[in-house]
Amino acid sequence: GNSVTQMEGPVTLSEEAFLTINCTYTATGYPSLFWYVQYPGEGLQLLLKATKADDKGSNKGFEATYRKETTSFHLEKGSVQVSDSAVYFCALGNQGGKLIFGQGTELSVKP
Amino acid sequence: NAGVTQTPKFRVLKTGQSMTLLCAQDMNHEYMYWYRQDPGMGLRLIHYSVGEGTTAKGEVPDGYNVSRLKKQNFLLGLESAAPSQTSVYFCASSYTPLGGGYTGELFFGEGSRLTVL
Repeated sequence: GNSVTQMEGPVTLSEEAFLTINCTYTATGYPSLFWYVQYPGEGLQLLLKATKADDKGSNKGFEATYRKETTSFHLEKGSVQVSDSAVYFCALGNQGGKLIFGQGTELSVKP
Repeated sequence: NAGVTQTPKFRVLKTGQSMTLLCAQDMNHEYMYWYRQDPGMGLRLIHYSVGEGTTAKGEVPDGYNVSRLKKQNFLLGLESAAPSQTSVYFCASSYTPLGGGYTGELFFGEGSRLTVL
């Protein structure tokens, strides 16, 4: 079946450090891939997406590239800020009709 | 623009009690969803609706019922609450359905924290 696996958190970084959050997936067909972010006390919101292989999604300094050969969609940011502290969810959507979320990775950025 | 609004935001129940969570969206979205969020398990789909008057089961539907009598509202009911239903519940809505050609943008409410003692 379809599934999404994220690196376990929490991840703690200093401000301006480089961020990578790993995400790999298992899916039939050609899924779309997403990163959602959940700030403290809020609901999830879409951060970026990629709908086909080799696409790069980007937003707010975050990037992720859809790698079909490695079935991965890792989230990266070159220089994190305290305001990036949140929980990040990788998700997969396909023609099966469901959006499947990973377990979430908590990021804490210290000044 | 309110977006997706959930009520109540917090609730404590005793085992066996019933309650209803209300979700309202003002974006004229066709599709609405109820998820639960538990530590280490991400979000799991409980039930969803593809339009007024329709509902369908998601990944973890047991112990819950839903209704979509009006396009803007999606209700989640617990008839006899159990401690295993202690969770944070999120409602979401979207223009397009999950699946092929899907834009991927779900709009989420702020969540409802339910504790069952």
